[in-house]
Amino acid sequence: NAGVTQTPKFRVLKTGQSMTLLCAQDMNHEYMYWYRQDPGMGLRLIHYSVGEGTTAKGEVPDGYNVSRLKKQNFLLGLESAAPSQTSVYFCASTGTFRGNQPQHFGDGTRLSIL
Amino acid sequence: SQQGEEDPQALSIQEGENATMNCSYKTSINNLQWYRQNSGRGLVHLILIRSNEREKHSGRLRVTLDTSKKSSSLLITASRAADTASYFCATVFNDYKLSFGAGTTVTVRA
Repeated sequence: NAGVTQTPKFRVLKTGQSMTLLCAQDMNHEYMYWYRQDPGMGLRLIHYSVGEGTTAKGEVPDGYNVSRLKKQNFLLGLESAAPSQTSVYFCASTGTFRGNQPQHFGDGTRLSIL
Repeated sequence: SQQGEEDPQALSIQEGENATMNCSYKTSINNLQWYRQNSGRGLVHLILIRSNEREKHSGRLRVTLDTSKKSSSLLITASRAADTASYFCATVFNDYKLSFGAGTTVTVRA
């Protein structure tokens, strides 16, 4: 009963390094999302996907890229990490159209950029 | 930009008391959802209320929605230590995406 799994859970990067965050869901959900959470600002949507092979920009997409090659996986990439990208990153998924069902969240990846 | 805004930012109550938090939003919505986040964990869905509903209950939770005032409230009755968490409202303002507020941090004192 895994739900949404995010790896890694913690990571420290140096400015300019690249990395990929992996999100995997086992609920056969069509829709997947990447958010970042910063103190006092709630969750902000980075990118999302409405199905395998599709991606779209959210509220704060700059500096990030995503891919959805398989339905169950949604990858978030940082090509050249910057200190402003220090944050907690959450992945979520949902199975239905029109937001009538809840989103299921992973436990987050805590990322620090030095 | 954030659609929903919670009030208050923080709330401290005694175990057994009720906790009420509010959410205001700016534009018409399809539905509104409330989530809980325990420290160091992801968000967990609590309740969804549709735009044509006025009140919804789930266990010790009661959610109201007033679309004329563009506001919602979450009431937790008979609070327990386990209710200590941050609570977020999220509005669905198009088909795919949720917009989250900054949250209310609730501390339940023993």
